[in-house]
Amino acid sequence: DAKTTQPTSMDCAEGRAANLPCNHSTISGNEYVYWYRQIHSQGPQYIIHGLKNNETNEMASLIITEDRKSSTLILPHATLRDTAVYYCIVRVEVDYKLSFGAGTTVTVRA
Amino acid sequence: DVKVTQSSRYLVKRTGEKVFLECVQDMDHENMFWYRQDPGLGLRLIYFSYDVKMKEKGDIPEGYSVSREKKERFSLILESASTNQTSMYLCASSLDGTRVSYEQYFGPGTRLTVT
Repeated sequence: DAKTTQPTSMDCAEGRAANLPCNHSTISGNEYVYWYRQIHSQGPQYIIHGLKNNETNEMASLIITEDRKSSTLILPHATLRDTAVYYCIVRVEVDYKLSFGAGTTVTVRA
Repeated sequence: DVKVTQSSRYLVKRTGEKVFLECVQDMDHENMFWYRQDPGLGLRLIYFSYDVKMKEKGDIPEGYSVSREKKERFSLILESASTNQTSMYLCASSLDGTRVSYEQYFGPGTRLTVT
């Protein structure tokens, strides 16, 4: 699987959009970009995934650059409950194993 | 709403004890997984199962075994607990590979301490 690079931490104001970047410059053509998050003392939670088109669901939007070497997860209106570690991973669709790096610790402040 | 439950949130066991961690999912998922998560080491796959009575070793199966007698239930067994098995244990499930997406749904985790 391709390696990803994320900032260690970021702060966000409650009610504002949170934009979380992820670099995956060695991504292969058949690898998807997945985002998970983990709130303190809880299990990881799936957020969204995509291949090359931008994706949106009830939790977030995923913007993938045209060359697929980077992506941005957007939480449109951050709340205090969005405070968590966010993991960006790339994997082939049939890969059964998840492997998280260090992720980005996002703190939403009132 | 998808639901993965684990039998205990916190567990304290003594060295040498046999430990059972239970996981149940109500989503009719074919695949189930056991991971452990440790600071600095991230998430590591112990075992997974793609069907009843079927299992595959993950990256760190030593010292563990698993059982899947029913589709909804996947058990992790520590045959003889050791202090280096103190960790957060996470169970997950996902649909089978015939679907487009393979997101995994996780339980709340069991924090096991072996003394």
